[in-house]
Amino acid sequence: QKEVEQDPGPLSVPEGAIVSLNCTYSNSAFQYFMWYRQYSRKGPELLMYTYSSGNKEDGRFTAQVDKSSKYISLFIRDSQPSDSATYLCAITNQGGKLIFGQGTELSVKP
Amino acid sequence: GAVVSQHPSRVICKSGTSVKIECRSLDFQATTMFWYRQFPKQSLMLMATSNEGSKATYEQGVEKDKFLINHASLTLSTLTVTSAHPEDSSFYICSVLQGTDTQYFGPGTRLTVL
Repeated sequence: QKEVEQDPGPLSVPEGAIVSLNCTYSNSAFQYFMWYRQYSRKGPELLMYTYSSGNKEDGRFTAQVDKSSKYISLFIRDSQPSDSATYLCAITNQGGKLIFGQGTELSVKP
Repeated sequence: GAVVSQHPSRVICKSGTSVKIECRSLDFQATTMFWYRQFPKQSLMLMATSNEGSKATYEQGVEKDKFLINHASLTLSTLTVTSAHPEDSSFYICSVLQGTDTQYFGPGTRLTVL
């Protein structure tokens, strides 16, 4: 079993839709949860960082963590064509070594 | 977040040559940097952890004699791909560790070995 599982997509939605991206993880010892966005041929960009169960909101983005279910989600409201990218979930403990999900390729159609 | 640069952004070389990729932390001193490799349509694969002033720690299956990492200062780490072959063609990305758990990534270097 992989330490982090992520729906690979691809996911295609119309502009304005709500997007839900999801990951599950296997080791309850992980404490920190992140979402990165990666545009084609670019390095990943940190979008959201959380360390506790619950929701964290930043503009159109909401990160949700459920430690009891070992489940993390990223919601994008009012999706825009500029949101088209690959989204990677990542988990870590202190020490900084990240474990990435496989990435979900998102396409938002105008 | 931290600002990270990489140079070059793209390199094409002949099989058997060596290629050096630079990773710079532009706005803070990075004790720890990481090097990743990413193949098309795949996630990032950690190659090694680089700590300033000490030897890099390589992940299982990564040849340390082929992928030489030097982290001689708090703002610069280099990855040298020695005797490159076509199977080494990939997207190489570095990151810097800020605090104990947050990584900021460079823009990546696309290596093509002919």
